[in-house]
Amino acid sequence: DAKTTQPTSMDCAEGRAANLPCNHSTISGNEYVYWYRQIHSQGPQYIIHGLKNNETNEMASLIITEDRKSSTLILPHATLRDTAVYYCIVRTSGAGSYQLTFGKGTKLSVIP
Amino acid sequence: GAGVSQSPSNKVTEKGKDVELRCDPISGHTALYWYRQRLGQGLEFLIYFQGNSAPDKSGLPSDRFSAERTGESVSTLTIQRTQQEDSAVYLCASSLGTSGRGRGETQYFGPGTRLLVL
Repeated sequence: DAKTTQPTSMDCAEGRAANLPCNHSTISGNEYVYWYRQIHSQGPQYIIHGLKNNETNEMASLIITEDRKSSTLILPHATLRDTAVYYCIVRTSGAGSYQLTFGKGTKLSVIP
Repeated sequence: GAGVSQSPSNKVTEKGKDVELRCDPISGHTALYWYRQRLGQGLEFLIYFQGNSAPDKSGLPSDRFSAERTGESVSTLTIQRTQQEDSAVYLCASSLGTSGRGRGETQYFGPGTRLLVL
């Protein structure tokens, strides 16, 4: 699976949009971009994933560049409960590629 | 159930004792994974079950670790003769197990079991 690069930490004011970037310049055509987050002392929580097109769900939006070499997770109205470590993971779909490899992620702090 | 559940939530044991950790996956999920997360570290893959196929045990750190799964339901992770370095959060995840557009492979995690070996 391709390597990802994320900033170590970010701050965001409560109520503002949080934009978390991820670089995955070596991504290949059949690799999906997944985002998870881990709130302190809890298990990782699935947020969203995508292949080529931008995706939106009740939690967040995922914007993937046309060349697929980077993506941005957007939390439209950050709350204090969104403070967590956010992981961007690139993963091949299909047999033999089932385990998730978590990097160091971005520690997002939502400030009141 | 609504999500993946794990028990116990916390376990304190003495070095040398055996422990058994339980995972109840989301109903209908054929794939089940165990991970370990040491304090301040990332997740380490341990073992993967998919339906009736032979499990992938390639991540198990030693022969003291073993896991079983009954059909497509409950799984237990057993650690024999626990050592202090086994102290960690043990996380279980499940997925539908079907490929295609990435959806069936999305893993949903339980809250974890915090194991402390004294």
